[in-house]
Amino acid sequence: GENVEQHPSTLSVQEGDSAVIKCTYSDSASNYFPWYKQELGKGPQLIIDIRSNVGEKKDQRIAVTLNKTAKHFSLHITETQPEDSAVYFCAARPNFGNEKLTFGTGTRLTIIP
Amino acid sequence: DADVTQTPRNRITKTGKRIMLECSQTKGHDRMYWYRQDPGLGLRLIYYSFDVKDINKGEISDGYSVSRQAQAKFSLSLESAIPNQTALYFCATTSGANTGELFFGEGSRLTVL
Repeated sequence: GENVEQHPSTLSVQEGDSAVIKCTYSDSASNYFPWYKQELGKGPQLIIDIRSNVGEKKDQRIAVTLNKTAKHFSLHITETQPEDSAVYFCAARPNFGNEKLTFGTGTRLTIIP
Repeated sequence: DADVTQTPRNRITKTGKRIMLECSQTKGHDRMYWYRQDPGLGLRLIYYSFDVKDINKGEISDGYSVSRQAQAKFSLSLESAIPNQTALYFCATTSGANTGELFFGEGSRLTVL
């Protein structure tokens, strides 16, 4: 089955700096890669996703890049703000079937004011 | 009001007790999921249901059972709780096989003493 590795497990950055979280996956059949943000006391919430037919996707201060050849994808947050502090999870699955979604182990991002 | 509601939010119980975690959603989606979150392990799928008559085991179903009482309600039971079932449990829902977004509840924190 799919194995998703996520690094780093914790990350502290100065407010205004950029943060990068990296994930690798093992199953070449994976074609959909979402990122979820979990704030303290809340459930995970989708912040951005990418499908394998594109290499990069942006939404304001967040972006995701995908390298299918190397089987890795990354989340980039620019101009970080205190509200970006949270746990971030990457995930991967084939085109169909959220029951096949495999999550990474999470990155706790702390923004230092 | 939240789209996905979980009760109870926190529960402390003793080894051997039967516990039920309840989930209801107002999004009108057919597909519902139960996940378990442990520190350093990410989210792992326990059970999922595509409709009222369809229940499927996930990655870590041993020691758990579920009931889909209606389209909007999906409950998770621990017949005889044990300490290593201490975790944060999330219910989620989505609309289709290829739909990207999972909508999560706020979680139920279970402690088994």
